[in-house]
Amino acid sequence: GAVVSQHPSWVICKSGTSVKIECRSLDFQATTMFWYRQFPKQSLMLMATSNEGSKATYEQGVEKDKFLINHASLTLSTLTVTSAHPEDSSFYICSASPIGLAGAVQYFGPGTRLTVL
Amino acid sequence: AQSVTQLGSHVSVSEGALVLLRCNYSSSVPPYLFWYVQYPNQGLQLLLKYTTGATLVKGINGFEAEFKKSETSFHLTKPSAHMSDAAEYFCAVSENSSASKIIFGSGTRLSIRP
Repeated sequence: GAVVSQHPSWVICKSGTSVKIECRSLDFQATTMFWYRQFPKQSLMLMATSNEGSKATYEQGVEKDKFLINHASLTLSTLTVTSAHPEDSSFYICSASPIGLAGAVQYFGPGTRLTVL
Repeated sequence: AQSVTQLGSHVSVSEGALVLLRCNYSSSVPPYLFWYVQYPNQGLQLLLKYTTGATLVKGINGFEAEFKKSETSFHLTKPSAHMSDAAEYFCAVSENSSASKIIFGSGTRLSIRP
């Protein structure tokens, strides 16, 4: 149980285009999901906290207009990278926190590798 | 504010040897502490976590960690390394409530020598 999926697993796009990444909790509901980005050989940096039915909370330095987050249901959050540029190329990982489960547990998706040409 | 420091970006041990990955944390509130493992091009897998209670926590794949409040440490150990343990390991801290954000350390790459 407690599986989180991401789609697509990898994407290559041209500079200036927008890319949508989906994060789904497959066998549990999550009021809260998190989006991270990871550059090569670096740690995960939290980008934003996504709450179902409300606006996402962005970490300092993350452009909310560039990284659009929508959490429309208890099992789906999406991250849209708008007007992508090569510096946005990264590994994007989401996680989901099951409703009612104590202990700050987060289950992580397998990640989406974005390459912007 | 919370933070995590992992000492050593790269640790190399021989197969069968003890694995010790160091983690120190800073937190103004009682923390939740985690160790995650990441294999290349994959997401993170939870190895173990400390929330409350017993300070020695056992996780998957033979790993364990001990919460030492006086030393603000949560070092990860395994008595005997296997080749399959080669991966990136992240220590992380969170506030002690559900759905709190997790702050990750910089990671330690573990290599296993035959």
